[in-house]
Amino acid sequence: AQTVTQSQPEMSVQEAETVTLSCTYDTSESDYYLFWYKQPPSRQMILVIRQEAYKQQNATENRFSVNFQKAAKSFSLKISDSQLGDAAMYFCAYRSADFGNEKLTFGTGTRLTIIP
Amino acid sequence: GAVVSQHPSRVICKSGTSVKIECRSLDFQATTMFWYRQFPKQSLMLMATSNEGSKATYEQGVEKDKFLINHASLTLSTLTVTSAHPEDSSFYICSVRPGGSGNTIYFGEGSWLTVV
Repeated sequence: AQTVTQSQPEMSVQEAETVTLSCTYDTSESDYYLFWYKQPPSRQMILVIRQEAYKQQNATENRFSVNFQKAAKSFSLKISDSQLGDAAMYFCAYRSADFGNEKLTFGTGTRLTIIP
Repeated sequence: GAVVSQHPSRVICKSGTSVKIECRSLDFQATTMFWYRQFPKQSLMLMATSNEGSKATYEQGVEKDKFLINHASLTLSTLTVTSAHPEDSSFYICSVRPGGSGNTIYFGEGSWLTVV
């Protein structure tokens, strides 16, 4: 079974600064997908960024980028120019590439606080 | 607009009664939907995979007789919490991966269940 570990229960960053959230995972599969989801107080799950394991290039979405290290099974999220609206719980998630096994396995989350 | 609709967003029920939560895909057909449970300040835990036209697949430790899942159409899955107890109080959220959408997974808005 796959596991996802987020070792930082809480993080804080000054507004406009950069912060990196850590995520490691364990799997025996070679093809899979990794995601970062944001959950604001409304509890709505919002996709921040995703990475296909077969792609070597790190995914980037505006101020959000990942550092995907497949051999180390590490998938960190970097948020640049942090904004007050970035404050939320952030979950790292894993999904197998096997058809029919599309469930997401989530880490325990990191609560990000933005300091004005 | 919303791609996946969940209803009700909040529900309070008495101990011993049953309550039904709906997850509806608005713009696409979904042969598979997923039901997650999230306790306060915790991560999302997969409860079951809902399969259209067949029995749901439950995760280990989830009581299938207590959490009834019905996926009778390609756009609707329901989760019924039977004989609810206060410990069933939680946030329940569904997710869907539409066919042909690549890796995009959409989440409903979630449902807060409080059993009194």
